[in-house]
Amino acid sequence: QQQVKQSPQSLIVQKGGISIINCAYENTAFDYFPWYQQFPGKGPALLIAIRPDVSEKKEGRFTISFNKSAKQFSLHIMDSQPGDSATYFCAANPSSNTGKLIFGQGTTLQVKP
Amino acid sequence: ETGVTQSPTHLIKTRGQQVTLRCSSQSGHNTVSWYQQALGQGPQFIFQYYREEENGRGNFPPRFSGLQFPNYSSELNVNALELDDSALYLCASGRGTYNSPLHFGNGTRLTVT
Repeated sequence: QQQVKQSPQSLIVQKGGISIINCAYENTAFDYFPWYQQFPGKGPALLIAIRPDVSEKKEGRFTISFNKSAKQFSLHIMDSQPGDSATYFCAANPSSNTGKLIFGQGTTLQVKP
Repeated sequence: ETGVTQSPTHLIKTRGQQVTLRCSSQSGHNTVSWYQQALGQGPQFIFQYYREEENGRGNFPPRFSGLQFPNYSSELNVNALELDDSALYLCASGRGTYNSPLHFGNGTRLTVT
């Protein structure tokens, strides 16, 4: 009940294409869903986050789609660039505390030039 | 605005030893959370400190302990090190416990031999 399941484990996309990463959760008490980007040797950096009262949030080339009834959310990266090549993590909080996050297993994205 | 800084960046210890990792929170932040990230995995929540007290703990044994100081810097202490403790330890700070995104440092890579 405390898990966040992320797929795919790895993804290869051509430059200019759309990258899509999916996450699913079981605990309906989760109320905050961030996405983090991590480059090798660096800590995770917050990309975008959403709360379950909205179905979509867009910031630049990054969009979160949220389906509350299906308990799923996804990250779309439009016009993917080689600089987007990194590991992406979805996460959710098990309480109303945004400092306590349960992370997915991660997706390694490679954008080919 | 100074980000989250962690020290040391790398550390090698022997099984059974004790280790202390340090974190300086981002300016204006009053919560600190610690995470353990094994190779190829998502970060796992260890515990959070708020107002110098532990404010929630993940599934980690008592040999993992911490401190938060009045200047909001923090320490993670691990006693009786085991080989499985080898991981990247991430510190993250936030402004309050609700509706405040986590900002991560670049971590301390701990190797236990």
